[in-house]
Amino acid sequence: DSGVTQTPKHLITATGQRVTLRCSPRSGDLSVYWYQQSLDQGLQFLIQYYNGEERAKGNILERFSAQQFPDLHSELNLSSLELGDSALYFCASSDARADTQYFGPGTRLTVL
Amino acid sequence: AQKVTQAQTEISVVEKEDVTLDCVYETRDTTYYLFWYKQPPSGELVFLIRRNSFDEQNEISGRYSWNFQKSTSSFNFTITASQVVDSAVYFCALSEAYNQAGTALIFGKGTTLSVSS
Repeated sequence: DSGVTQTPKHLITATGQRVTLRCSPRSGDLSVYWYQQSLDQGLQFLIQYYNGEERAKGNILERFSAQQFPDLHSELNLSSLELGDSALYFCASSDARADTQYFGPGTRLTVL
Repeated sequence: AQKVTQAQTEISVVEKEDVTLDCVYETRDTTYYLFWYKQPPSGELVFLIRRNSFDEQNEISGRYSWNFQKSTSSFNFTITASQVVDSAVYFCALSEAYNQAGTALIFGKGTTLSVSS
């Protein structure tokens, strides 16, 4: 158990809908990262937050957004969902040394 | 640009065989971290090891060992006497190491290891 929690574990929804994925980092970790794992693209970095502020952006679509709250949990919002958004979404967190990212169990999103 | 290449897509071995997973990386940074993560069939990503670019010492942890060679930009992973529980997808990853807040991981495509009994 990495100490990073993600909910829900599975999510099934329809095209055009909007969903919110939630992540709670390990206790004391300030950085939260979101990654998407799909069969065709592999594991790709989406976005990073550090202590409530957006820190870095990767290959994140404009239909996707995220935020980190004062209690350091983070939410990833996916809107206008398409079939191609079906993937495993991981959250990771790192501590003040920022040298290792620990991953949550992931949320498997299925868009029908 | 940073890049991680895992040329072996799939490897199949029989229990007790030794197996080496290859990882080649590209970066212009002089300071960086290299990682290996394991993704078992249950789907979670499990951290195995981190190596700093300044530390080229090889490391051994039980049946696992890692060989870091800056001269060839490689960070290979060897499992000795493989077991069925080693069956998983293994990812090599790279990140910059100068940012206090941490930086994103660049992952390879992964190597699927199947160990049969």
